[in-house]
Amino acid sequence: GNSVTQMEGPVTLSEEAFLTINCTYTATGYPSLFWYVQYPGEGLQLLLKATKADDKGSNKGFEATYRKETTSFHLEKGSVQVSDSAVYFCALSEYTDKLIFGTGTRLQVFP
Amino acid sequence: EPEVTQTPSHQVTQMGQEVILRCVPISNHLYFYWYRQILGQKVEFLVSFYNNEISEKSEIFDDQFSVERPDGSNFTLKIRSTKLEDSAMYFCASRPGTSGVYEQYFGPGTRLTVT
Repeated sequence: GNSVTQMEGPVTLSEEAFLTINCTYTATGYPSLFWYVQYPGEGLQLLLKATKADDKGSNKGFEATYRKETTSFHLEKGSVQVSDSAVYFCALSEYTDKLIFGTGTRLQVFP
Repeated sequence: EPEVTQTPSHQVTQMGQEVILRCVPISNHLYFYWYRQILGQKVEFLVSFYNNEISEKSEIFDDQFSVERPDGSNFTLKIRSTKLEDSAMYFCASRPGTSGVYEQYFGPGTRLTVT
């Protein structure tokens, strides 16, 4: 069945460092791909999405490109801030609106 | 900005007891969902609900689970006889009928602890 695999955390970075959180997926067709973020004490918020191959989703300085050839959707940011500290979830949906999530990656950014 | 709310934030119950988790979706949304996350594991889909009926459910969502939209604002998840393995964070989500690609709005979650 469909699945999402994320790199394990925590990812610990200094402020202004470059961020990559890896995400790969398994799907039978052409899923839509998402990154959700969860700040402490809050619900999951959609960060960005991509619906077809080679699409790039972007928001708040974060980017991810839908790579069909490598079945990946890695999250990147050029310069992280302390306020980016959160848990990041990669997810997909295919054929229905059920979301299939990865395990989440905790990001900790220190000043 | 409108948001999904969930109550309580933490529920402790004894094994075998019934529990009801409550959610208030965003007011003009039409599709409703429950997900759960067992500590250290993935967020898992439980059920989706539209037009007053279940549209999809996972293998986890067995006869012990039920959902209801008792009025125009609340969306509830009931577990009839809780088991230890039901301990998890439960997330409610909703989306409008005409949003972008399945963009779901999530609540902050209810942590259920079964002892």
